[in-house]
Amino acid sequence: EAGVVQSPRYKIIEKKQPVAFWCNPISGHNTLYWYLQNLGQGPELLIRYENEEAVDDSQLPKDRFSAERLKGVDSTLKIQPAELGDSAVYLCASSSRIHNEQFFGPGTRLTVL
Amino acid sequence: ELKVEQNPLFLSMQEGKNYTIYCNYSTTSDRLYWYRQDPGKSLESLFVLLSNGAVKQEGRLMASLDTKARLSTLHITAAVHDLSATYFCAVDRGTYKYIFGTGTRLKVLA
Repeated sequence: EAGVVQSPRYKIIEKKQPVAFWCNPISGHNTLYWYLQNLGQGPELLIRYENEEAVDDSQLPKDRFSAERLKGVDSTLKIQPAELGDSAVYLCASSSRIHNEQFFGPGTRLTVL
Repeated sequence: ELKVEQNPLFLSMQEGKNYTIYCNYSTTSDRLYWYRQDPGKSLESLFVLLSNGAVKQEGRLMASLDTKARLSTLHITAAVHDLSATYFCAVDRGTYKYIFGTGTRLKVLA
């Protein structure tokens, strides 16, 4: 069974530029999560989707961050414009209805210069 | 607000020794997860603990959960170099929202 797929794995951009991350969850997993992980810290939830609906986006900085999950499968997280402080690893995870256990993708390491 | 604390934050130990990592959390929960993260890699699920008194073991690692004390432990037996990584506990508030601990960076010295 394929795991959670993310791309790109690495991204370097200049501040004020836009950037987008893509996630494909494990097949059959209806719940999808985007996390932010700063260096030396644990992941922090940005947004959670149940199918195509964002059910918890309380931690998403909506002035510059946006996300979508069209058709309830793949998801895209966008930052526009990026700031220096956005440099971090962005992790995607998914889980099924039956089990709460979350499975994580490899992450996208963003560097904003 | 749920807070999750791990200690120690850093642990350097000799091969063959035993040690325990602690995960304390501030509000009621009966679901706790342990993950391992290698440098530059994602999180790998180690244990899922879903009830008070739950104990799970895999190789040299054993995890337990005491929901009354709001405490989980990850015990390492006879450590080997391959166990060097960062270990995170995550508490589920029951709303599918994990709150992660600060992580424990483990280094096993040969």
